[in-house]
Amino acid sequence: AQTVTQSQPEMSVQEAETVTLSCTYDTSESDYYLFWYKQPPSRQMILVIRQEAYKQQNATENRFSVNFQKAAKSFSLKISDSQLGDAAMYFCAYRSAWGNNNDMRFGAGTRLTVKP
Amino acid sequence: SQTIHQWPATLVQPVGSPLSLECTVEGTSNPNLYWYRQAAGRGLQLLFYSVGIGQISSEVPQNLSASRPQDRQFILSSKKLLLSDSGFYLCAWRSSREETQYFGPGTRLLVL
Repeated sequence: AQTVTQSQPEMSVQEAETVTLSCTYDTSESDYYLFWYKQPPSRQMILVIRQEAYKQQNATENRFSVNFQKAAKSFSLKISDSQLGDAAMYFCAYRSAWGNNNDMRFGAGTRLTVKP
Repeated sequence: SQTIHQWPATLVQPVGSPLSLECTVEGTSNPNLYWYRQAAGRGLQLLFYSVGIGQISSEVPQNLSASRPQDRQFILSSKKLLLSDSGFYLCAWRSSREETQYFGPGTRLLVL
């Protein structure tokens, strides 16, 4: 079964600075999707960004971008110009392109603190 | 646009009491629906998913059950709650035409 690992339980960044959250995954499949979700104190899960494995170009969404290294099975999230509202838990997730409807796998999460 | 609702937002129940959490989706038809549980400070555990009315798949054996009486309604139930059922329950939906899951606001359940 696929596993998702987030090796940083907690990260801290100064407001307006840049921070990178790490995520690695284990799979034998070649076609899949990767996601970063944000969970603020309200605890609602919000999609931040997604990446299709067949696309070589890294996804970007405003201040959020990913560094997708398929061979290394790495999918890091970069947050530029960090804002206080970015403080949250961030979850990396994997979904097979060929699996059943139950095969979304989440990492354990990284808690991001933004210092003013 | 699509929206997903969950209620109640918060629930405190005694051990041994029944449970019913409801999730509804608006603005889409025939969605895939999911129930997750998140223990404090931890990741998400998939409990159930459904690809259509009356079709429920369970991921882990447990004290809970799920039902889908209508296309956009997903219910999480228990006949007798355990202390270990405490947690944050998230409902999610996904269109069959895309890969992203979208989550509801969640229900905080405390079993005393």
